[in-house]
Amino acid sequence: NAGVTQTPKFQVLKTGQSMTLQCAQDMNHEYMSWYRQDPGMGLRLIHYSVGAGITDQGEVPNGYNVSRSTTEDFPLRLLSAAPSQTSVYFCASSYAGDSPLHFGNGTRLTVT
Amino acid sequence: GENVEQHPSTLSVQEGDSAVIKCTYSDSASNYFPWYKQELGKRPQLIIDIRSNVGEKKDQRIAVTLNKTAKHFSLHITETQPEDSAVYFCAASKYKGAGSYQLTFGKGTKLSVIP
Repeated sequence: NAGVTQTPKFQVLKTGQSMTLQCAQDMNHEYMSWYRQDPGMGLRLIHYSVGAGITDQGEVPNGYNVSRSTTEDFPLRLLSAAPSQTSVYFCASSYAGDSPLHFGNGTRLTVT
Repeated sequence: GENVEQHPSTLSVQEGDSAVIKCTYSDSASNYFPWYKQELGKRPQLIIDIRSNVGEKKDQRIAVTLNKTAKHFSLHITETQPEDSAVYFCAASKYKGAGSYQLTFGKGTKLSVIP
């Protein structure tokens, strides 16, 4: 099993550009989520999904969109990037909402 | 919403000593408490977790204790080794309804083990 696969590993955007961070898992997990990690702030939940076709907002959802058309994939979209979105982004999946998270390797995003 | 506070933010110990990291949570409905270890430049990985119906759990040199009354839980690492150096995150999870859970992380503790 590959686990949770995130692409790209690094990305530089200019303010106002859009992009999609890809996330895929091959563990048949129902739960998937996106976190951002900023120095001294821990991991903050952006959006999550409890199954295909179902998504919900987390703690810091503004500026991000998600969709979950399949169990395997959970892309994160930045519609108009802002410098405040410079961060490391982690996708995670789990069997259930109260079971261990399996994280991807992260995407380091810089917005200039 | 849930608030998880984690202390200390940094911790230095001599190799072989014990390390203790403490977390408090605000919502008494939280019932699942995982701990994650993140090495520099790597992804977080689960090292141990505990549920609210258990007071203590051990896995070799790592243990977690939970005090539901006081709403705090702690990570204990004994006989620390240089490879224990990392950032450790605690988290608390509660059921929100409709199959949805809320997981809130603490801000992390940077542990340095000095050889």
